[in-house]
Amino acid sequence: KAGVTQTPRYLIKTRGQQVTLSCSPISGHRSVSWYQQTPGQGLQFLFEYFSETQRNKGNFPGRFSGRQFSNSRSEMNVSTLELGDSALYLCASSLEQITRSDTQYFGPGTRLTVL
Amino acid sequence: AQKVTQAQTEISVVEKEDVTLDCVYETRDTTYYLFWYKQPPSGELVFLIRRNSFDEQNEISGRYSWNFQKSTSSFNFTITASQVVDSAVYFCALSEAEMGRRALTFGSGTRLQVQP
Repeated sequence: KAGVTQTPRYLIKTRGQQVTLSCSPISGHRSVSWYQQTPGQGLQFLFEYFSETQRNKGNFPGRFSGRQFSNSRSEMNVSTLELGDSALYLCASSLEQITRSDTQYFGPGTRLTVL
Repeated sequence: AQKVTQAQTEISVVEKEDVTLDCVYETRDTTYYLFWYKQPPSGELVFLIRRNSFDEQNEISGRYSWNFQKSTSSFNFTITASQVVDSAVYFCALSEAEMGRRALTFGSGTRLQVQP
């Protein structure tokens, strides 16, 4: 079974621009979560989508948004990029069921550099 | 609020040494899940193990073993006879059981360097 895939793997943008990152979960997984990893703040949760609905959101400004499609693929968007948005963005998928939590499996990440 | 503490920032050992990575967690939930992930230089987080709060049985998988102790809120990870390929950053993480609150809270990670 193919793992979580993320595109693009590397991205360079300038301040003020916007960016869209894509994530394809493991086949059959319905939940997709996004995390930001920076040297200063470590790994921080951005948001989680399940059945096209945002189910949970971390403490990030409104410039960070996401969505999930009917095939469970997800995109996250960052508008008005700031230098501090430079980070590794990791997507994770899980089988997820109503009654139990399932393990999150991560993709290779998208490394975003904001100049 | 949940919290995961990995006090060891970096550990350096020589190949074949045993090494233990510490993880201490805080949560007010009675049902929760603990995880260890490995992050090699490529950047991808690789799942290693998951533990439910109601299962304190220790686990061994090859050279890896995990010691979960609710009494001390710890979930330590031991690598026996370390190898150069074990060099990576290791993260301990915690999640709640309730749907909608299952986001992972990560520790700051422990960088393990295994010297040949």
